[in-house]
Amino acid sequence: SQQGEEDPQALSIQEGENATMNCSYKTSINNLQWYRQNSGRGLVHLILIRSNEREKHSGRLRVTLDTSKKSSSLLITASRAADTASYFCATDGGYSTLTFGKGTMLLVSP
Amino acid sequence: NAGVTQTPKFQVLKTGQSMTLQCAQDMNHNSMYWYRQDPGMGLRLIYYSASEGTTDKGEVPNGYNVSRLNKREFSLRLESAAPSQTSVYFCASSNYRGDEQYFGPGTRLTVT
Repeated sequence: SQQGEEDPQALSIQEGENATMNCSYKTSINNLQWYRQNSGRGLVHLILIRSNEREKHSGRLRVTLDTSKKSSSLLITASRAADTASYFCATDGGYSTLTFGKGTMLLVSP
Repeated sequence: NAGVTQTPKFQVLKTGQSMTLQCAQDMNHNSMYWYRQDPGMGLRLIYYSASEGTTDKGEVPNGYNVSRLNKREFSLRLESAAPSQTSVYFCASSNYRGDEQYFGPGTRLTVT
């Protein structure tokens, strides 16, 4: 069964705006990861945040993790048309493999 | 350094036919995975191999078999294809379970 659930399912914004997507999960985790998938391609790892971290940055990406609420958010600042993709969160519960959510489809219009 | 490669890219099968999807990685990773991706379902794990010589079932293993041929290669076999196995199949690898995963480009399979 899938543990991570992304919200919203779809998001449409204009270039230059910020995009925020959220991930909720059910059980304790070792780490949480975010991936991007462009249409018809394989997933690409974006960022990993460990359970003892609260915030992490990578370029225009900012990820937060709140283990008390079992939730994470991914913020993409100053979005570009090239950011159009599906974004997935994945959780490592430490007992098996990563568990992926169903993803948020982001559309950035010029 | 090709990363994770998959063959074939596309395949059409008739119900009952068999085929093997090939996957290879050149990153010296210990763990390898097979997923299927269907519209609205996200990624679902079929089988994984935590290390060379071991394989384990994932969420949706029925109708599939796997072989970890060596550290580099992990194949997925459909013995008797069914229309419900129409999907996009992704292979991935990581250094260890729980680490970031590197994905191949996918195989788009249609079973008629």
